[in-house]
Amino acid sequence: SAVISQKPSRDICQRGTSLTIQCQVDSQVTMMFWYRQQPGQSLTLIATANQGSEATYESGFVIDKFPISRPNLTFSTLTVSNLSPEDSSIYLCSVLDSREKLFFGSGTQLSVL
Amino acid sequence: GQQLNQSPQSMFIQEGEDVSMNCTSSSIFNTWLWYKQEPGEGPVLLIALYKAGELTSNGRLTAQFGITRKDSFLNISASIPSDVGIYFCAAIQDFGNEKLTFGTGTRLTIIP
Repeated sequence: SAVISQKPSRDICQRGTSLTIQCQVDSQVTMMFWYRQQPGQSLTLIATANQGSEATYESGFVIDKFPISRPNLTFSTLTVSNLSPEDSSIYLCSVLDSREKLFFGSGTQLSVL
Repeated sequence: GQQLNQSPQSMFIQEGEDVSMNCTSSSIFNTWLWYKQEPGEGPVLLIALYKAGELTSNGRLTAQFGITRKDSFLNISASIPSDVGIYFCAAIQDFGNEKLTFGTGTRLTIIP
């Protein structure tokens, strides 16, 4: 299975600022995703990070709020912009292997004051 | 969109007991996955199922891909304290469309 390093592991941010989360994978992967997990909830897909092109966003998520970069097959960033308390969640990077197994990073716990 | 209904929502069991949880949907899915999440961590993949009727084990864990392709079951035998966590089912509908739909989770608590 792929080893996924995600950072920061947690952060406390002020309202109106932005946080950029980094995801590094130890091998090249085609499919990389970003998920959000709100407190006590299940996981919701934010977007698919496409290498060399714009990310594909799910309904309810927009690029201005959640810009994503994917410069190569081992790295991606998710920025959560113009933070509000409602953005307090765990954000998770994940990759899909050739057997349709999805592996997750350890997540970024974001708290917005 | 598709939903996976997971039950029970929470379980309180004694150490040594067996655990059963399930995940159902009104839609057909072609791959089922089971994850465990502990506090402060991302979900960890436990078992992946690819074929209707498939029964797969991973140590004390056994999962089955329902014959109708609309459900899956996870069993844990002889539970131990480290089994505590939240268990999520997840499923992929179409090959070539690898977006996962997640269940609502089952929180497992073990009473010593």
